[in-house]
Amino acid sequence: QVQLVQSGAEVKKPGASVKVSCKASGYTFTGHFIHWVRQAPGQGLEWVGWINPNTGGTNSPQKFQGRVTITRDMSIKTAYMELSGLQSDDTAVYYCARGIEFGDYVFSYWGQGTLVTVSS
Amino acid sequence: DIQLTQSPSSLSASVGDRVTITCRASQGISKSLGWYQQKPGKAPNLLVYDASSLESGVPLRFSGSGSGTDFTLTISSLQPGDFAIYYCQQYYRSPYTFGQGTRLEIK
Repeated sequence: QVQLVQSGAEVKKPGASVKVSCKASGYTFTGHFIHWVRQAPGQGLEWVGWINPNTGGTNSPQKFQGRVTITRDMSIKTAYMELSGLQSDDTAVYYCARGIEFGDYVFSYWGQGTLVTVSS
Repeated sequence: DIQLTQSPSSLSASVGDRVTITCRASQGISKSLGWYQQKPGKAPNLLVYDASSLESGVPLRFSGSGSGTDFTLTISSLQPGDFAIYYCQQYYRSPYTFGQGTRLEIK
């Protein structure tokens, strides 16, 4: 079965960077985009970006461009999301997600979430 | 960016009730809309994609409809496990955006 397993919680100081991993199993890793979505405490969902594991191509909203780097390691079927210049409003649960079988942009599989706390 | 506005923001209902949640897009998005259910401390769970296609394993009491700018999610007969927060999401154009959520509470 499809599984996405994320790395553990992180606590970072303002200005630092964080790198969260997402290990995929149960399907062909290069066959589906991996997306990152975040959720601040008590708030809604916000799309952070995607990576095409096959090509390494990425896309992210303009508000994150220059601060977010999404990469993958095909040998271990793992995607990574690195966010730099952390501020307190980056405190959130970060999820990785995969699309449905015939669509890459609506998310049927999710990781368990990684809490990133930014605090001095 | 395409804005999605859900209504109501919160809703109280009883087990067995029929409930409808609406999602309005700031511009036409064809049928590129999904609905999610989220329970506390858990990742969202996809219910409906392409506006009206039920995700595998989702109970038939959930249904979606709409196209263009106006969409609805209907739960035909509320069950105890349905009390949660519901989000719509558009994937017509990047950046992919979510509605603000509708909190469904027990009356």
